[in-house]
Amino acid sequence: NAGVTQTPKFQVLKTGQSMTLQCAQDMNHEYMSWYRQDPGMGLRLIHYSVGAGITDQGEVPNGYNVSRSTTEDFPLRLLSAAPSQTSVYFCATQGPYNEQFFGPGTRLTVL
Amino acid sequence: DAKTTQPTSMDCAEGRAANLPCNHSTISGNEYVYWYRQIHSQGPQYIIHGLKNNETNEMASLIITEDRKSSTLILPHATLRDTAVYYCIVRVEYAGKSTFGDGTTLTVKP
Repeated sequence: NAGVTQTPKFQVLKTGQSMTLQCAQDMNHEYMSWYRQDPGMGLRLIHYSVGAGITDQGEVPNGYNVSRSTTEDFPLRLLSAAPSQTSVYFCATQGPYNEQFFGPGTRLTVL
Repeated sequence: DAKTTQPTSMDCAEGRAANLPCNHSTISGNEYVYWYRQIHSQGPQYIIHGLKNNETNEMASLIITEDRKSSTLILPHATLRDTAVYYCIVRVEYAGKSTFGDGTTLTVKP
């Protein structure tokens, strides 16, 4: 039981490049979320999903797209990377008591 | 979701109880109190949650005041590995999102 996994662990992009951050879970949880955490800051919600085929925006959605075609996967796409998107990205699921389980994070640097 | 207020930082001696307060004076009747912690560079870890009764698990205890406007997370015997940022979150049960504030940085000292 791997829980929540994220790939890659580290990524360096150039401004304007696009990429997809992967998130997968084997907990059969319906809710999944993406957060970003800037240095010394708290977590900010980017997008979330209450189930396959359903997504919604969080507080900082600009520059990011998500889709949810399966229960297990919730990828986050950066359309055109900007230095302001340099951050640590965490994916999370929500358990039966609405507690959240977080992945280990992807550390992204945009040059 | 109701807003929470936590002290920026706290220290605790190793082996002593760590008591982390959280104020949530605007909490609604259907909102739960959740606690998480984040050890340096790792993903946040769920600790405990409650509605109005005190709760205890293998990690911690949660004390919620009778008017539910504040709560305290108690780590009964803090260790150096408990040094982390602790987040108090108030949210409704069915919501698919949580709002994380800045949390309390707990430093456990030898």
